[in-house]
Amino acid sequence: DAKTTQPNSMESNEEEPVHLPCNHSTISGTDYIHWYRQLPSQGPEYVIHGLTSNVNNRMASLAIAEDRKSSTLILHRATLRDAAVYYCILRDGLEETSGSRLTFGEGTQLTVNP
Amino acid sequence: GAGVSQTPSNKVTEKGKYVELRCDPISGHTALYWYRQSLGQGPEFLIYFQGTGAADDSGLPNDRFFAVRPEGSVSTLKIQRTERGDSAVYLCASSLTGAYTDTQYFGPGTRLTVL
Repeated sequence: DAKTTQPNSMESNEEEPVHLPCNHSTISGTDYIHWYRQLPSQGPEYVIHGLTSNVNNRMASLAIAEDRKSSTLILHRATLRDAAVYYCILRDGLEETSGSRLTFGEGTQLTVNP
Repeated sequence: GAGVSQTPSNKVTEKGKYVELRCDPISGHTALYWYRQSLGQGPEFLIYFQGTGAADDSGLPNDRFFAVRPEGSVSTLKIQRTERGDSAVYLCASSLTGAYTDTQYFGPGTRLTVL
């Protein structure tokens, strides 16, 4: 599985934008980039995913570098509820079984200050 | 609608005992996953079911761990001869088809403590 690298922790202020980086220099052409987050004492929840183009949804935006070796999850206005561990995960679109599972790293712990 | 549920929420057992952890997936989801999360770590994949069959059990750490999904819905993770190192939060997730673009929906987990 291709590996991702994320900072251990980041801090933000409430109502400010947050940019969470992820490096995946060994990404293959069929790997999808997924982001999940885990709030305290809860299971992970889906945030967003993409392949090549930037993506937007109600939760966040995903900016993917042109060479796909890095991506950035953007929270446009952080709230206290966004304090969580954010995981950047690659899923192989060619592998029927291994592409199905999620391979989590240690993620980035986001702290949001009031 | 109802999300993924897991029972019990907490389980304390003694070393050497047998435990069963239950997962109720979202109705209609054919894919079901078990993960294990140790303190301070990200979840670690254990097993993936497609319908009633285990499509990928490569994450099960040893033969003390076993999981079933006999009717393609509820799943049970079984751990024999528990060890202190088995203490962790066991997470279950389900998705509609298991495709690599499918969202996985996670339950709240079962916290297992082996004394």
